[in-house]
Amino acid sequence: AQSVTQLDSQVPVFEEAPVELRCNYSSSVSVYLFWYVQYPNQGLQLLLKYLSGSTLVKGINGFEAEFNKSQTSFHLRKPSVHISDTAEYFCAVTPSGGYQKVTFGTGTKLQVIP
Amino acid sequence: DAGVIQSPRHEVTEMGQEVTLRCKPISGHNSLFWYRQTMMRGLELLIYFNNNVPIDDSGMPEDRFSAKMPNASFSTLKIQPSEPRDSAVYFCASSIGLAGRSQETQYFGPGTRLLVL
Repeated sequence: AQSVTQLDSQVPVFEEAPVELRCNYSSSVSVYLFWYVQYPNQGLQLLLKYLSGSTLVKGINGFEAEFNKSQTSFHLRKPSVHISDTAEYFCAVTPSGGYQKVTFGTGTKLQVIP
Repeated sequence: DAGVIQSPRHEVTEMGQEVTLRCKPISGHNSLFWYRQTMMRGLELLIYFNNNVPIDDSGMPEDRFSAKMPNASFSTLKIQPSEPRDSAVYFCASSIGLAGRSQETQYFGPGTRLLVL
């Protein structure tokens, strides 16, 4: 079975400051990794995903994440946040190959302070 | 494309009543997922359909919950009878889902906020 840990439930950060949202996963097999964002009163939408290849993945809205197999991490970063980045961010994992259930983390609420 | 459409957006009902949530996936998508989101349990997969066939219903909490997908453009999630602990936001998501490939991006609807009194 797979699991995802997002240690930070809330992260406050000032506008234009950098941010890192942490995600660690556990799996005995190779995995695909995702970051989704949920704006208030909306569904989730994909920010980026890692399937294979380069460990640095770039996504929408200036976000990027780095897959680190040895540390089983997939942290999300943005060099300069904007007020509009205020949302909840979910890390997710699924075993690679065929259908497997996607397991979501508990989410990290990013609050950008003006 | 209009994206994934869910109705109703909000539902308030009394304990014991039947609740039906509806979902129209993105045209051309072969996979459909129903999720439940609560503060306590986070985002949980309830059921997954591929080509209108239920593939994984291991997340359906109990017999009070049932889901159908009569055709490629419509799915329902029914709760009968409803209980206060069913109060949550229910999301429908769809993906291209060719042969059940789990790397496909899931596209979420806006959700149905259910309150059972």
